[in-house]
Amino acid sequence: QVQLVQSGSELKKPGASVKVSCKASGYTFTSYAMNWVRQAPGQGLEWMGWINTNTGNPTYAQGFTGRFVFSLDTSVSTAYLQISSLKAEDTAVYYCAREPYDSSGYYGNWGQGTLVTVSS
Amino acid sequence: DIQMTQSPSSLSASVGDRVTITCQASQDISNYLNWYQQKPGKAPKLLIYDASNLETGVPSRFSGSGSGTDFTFTISSLQPEDIATYYCQQYDNLPQTFGQGTKVEIK
Repeated sequence: QVQLVQSGSELKKPGASVKVSCKASGYTFTSYAMNWVRQAPGQGLEWMGWINTNTGNPTYAQGFTGRFVFSLDTSVSTAYLQISSLKAEDTAVYYCAREPYDSSGYYGNWGQGTLVTVSS
Repeated sequence: DIQMTQSPSSLSASVGDRVTITCQASQDISNYLNWYQQKPGKAPKLLIYDASNLETGVPSRFSGSGSGTDFTFTISSLQPEDIATYYCQQYDNLPQTFGQGTKVEIK
């Protein structure tokens, strides 16, 4: 069955970096795009962008440029989200979600979420 | 960016009640709208895609309708396990955007 398994919770200090992983199984990794969605504490869902798992080309939503980087390791069917120069407002749960390449927004499978806490 | 406005932001209803949530887009998005359910501490789950299509395995008490700018999500008979927050999502244009969510509670 399709699974997206994310790395565990992280506690980081302001200014540090974090790399969240999303390991896919149960399907051909390059047959679906991978999206990233942020959910701040007590808040709604915010689309961060997506990465083409064939080409590695990322697309970032406004507000997620500069410090946010999407990457891949297709040899291990894993997508990554790296955030640098962490700020307190980056504290959130980060989800990966796969989407067909028809841009249907059809997020039929999600990772379990990774809580990133930024605190001194 | 397309703004998605959900209402109400929260509601309380009794088991067996019909529950309706609306989602309004700031511009015409045809039927490019999905609905998700999120239970506390869990990832969202896709319930309805393309405005009115029921995702496989989702109970038939859930339904969606609408096109253009106005959409409706309905639970025909609220069950205790339906306690969750529900989100609409448009995918007509990037960035994909979500409504602010509707929290459904049992009265």
